[in-house]
Amino acid sequence: DIQMTQSPSSLSLSVGDSLTITCRASQSISGYLNWYQQKPGKAPKLLISGASNVHSGAPSRFSGSGSGTDYTLTIRSLQPEDFATYYCQQSHDTPLTFGGGTRVEI
Amino acid sequence: QITLKESGPTLVKPTETLTLTCNFSGFSLDSLGVGVGWIRQPPGKALEWLALIYWDDDKRFSPSLETRLAITKDTSRNQVVLTMTDMDPVDTGTYFCAHSPDYGEPFDTWGQGALVAVSS
Repeated sequence: DIQMTQSPSSLSLSVGDSLTITCRASQSISGYLNWYQQKPGKAPKLLISGASNVHSGAPSRFSGSGSGTDYTLTIRSLQPEDFATYYCQQSHDTPLTFGGGTRVEI
Repeated sequence: QITLKESGPTLVKPTETLTLTCNFSGFSLDSLGVGVGWIRQPPGKALEWLALIYWDDDKRFSPSLETRLAITKDTSRNQVVLTMTDMDPVDTGTYFCAHSPDYGEPFDTWGQGALVAVSS
């Protein structure tokens, strides 16, 4: 199984701040890395697919990068609606695996 | 517009079998590459992938749960059914079904989730 290690697990920020979340795979996943946003009581929403492709409907302040085993999600100028939990997920191979999540709080 | 919705019991007893149905619209599960997956989330914890069924009836399972899971599709009724045997309180959580447009692609649309509690 491919293990996904996400960091940090949580952080406190303010509106207007920028942040970067990292996700490391236990082996190369060749860019098959996806990012989701989840708000309390809601289903996850796809933000980024294929490491860097912003999903339709996701604001342009979200961006993703990386290759091989190391990936990042960057949010420029946090907005109030961005305070949520973010998950990475590899779709390179089954079993599909998620990171442990990053909770972004005010 | 793709939509998915989970349905099933909200409470099951330990050792019972859970059956969840995912009703979907806006796509066909006999289209090349399309898949429907199940993902669960214990209260306050991370997402965990359970199973995935593809258009050609290719089925994939989480190795840690494989012996307890079954997944089937009914293309004519636009349904995917997940069964999980021998339920335990640790299986309590929200169960989501989600659409994947192709092999290697993400889950681009999710259902709202179904909360399942396991308790006697």
